[in-house]
Amino acid sequence: DTAVSQTPKYLVTQMGNDKSIKCEQNLGHDTMYWYKQDSKKFLKIMFSYNNKELIINETVPNRFSPKSPDKAHLNLHINSLELGDSAVYFCASSQDTSTDTQYFGPGTRLTVL
Amino acid sequence: GQQVMQIPQYQHVQEGEDFTTYCNSSTTLSNIQWYKQRPGGHPVFLIQLVKSGEVKKQKRLTFQFGEAKKNSSLHITATQTTDVGTYFCAGLLNAGGTSYGKLTFGQGTILTVHP
Repeated sequence: DTAVSQTPKYLVTQMGNDKSIKCEQNLGHDTMYWYKQDSKKFLKIMFSYNNKELIINETVPNRFSPKSPDKAHLNLHINSLELGDSAVYFCASSQDTSTDTQYFGPGTRLTVL
Repeated sequence: GQQVMQIPQYQHVQEGEDFTTYCNSSTTLSNIQWYKQRPGGHPVFLIQLVKSGEVKKQKRLTFQFGEAKKNSSLHITATQTTDVGTYFCAGLLNAGGTSYGKLTFGQGTILTVHP
């Protein structure tokens, strides 16, 4: 029944590793997002896809690569993890491009050691 | 780039006191949304304001959108312990702005309510 789901919920890994976070929404929405929330709770958009097409690509290191195999899924792959990547990553979806309510997933807490 | 500033960053109140958080944008907004994030949780949509000068209420919560559509506020009357969390505003630029279609979140106000 979960509208926006993410896996895993927690991710602890060593510096230099590559990891992926998966997101799925069952709301039939056209647009999906990735946000990063740092320790001070600041929410910053990273990417947005509309119908599998990248529409927002903020200033994010190219170690971060989103992939949308279909409009219900948006995954985030991170190469060569760094300490500063530690944060909570939220996936979200909306019916259209930002004018509509955004529904957030439960978040993935990434800790890089 | 477009910025949405939110103050205060932290607010500690006694249960029963009122609480207000303010949001200001450097540019005119098409709309503004408010979200609440409980500790350990994810942001949850509260409301969207679209019209200049709009005021909306949800029980003890009152939301306002400024006449110039550059500022907004959320006021909670008689806070309860269940109001604890981080409140975010998120603004959407008018069409024609370089960031059209992207919500920009304020820094959030972390509210603590002491029983």
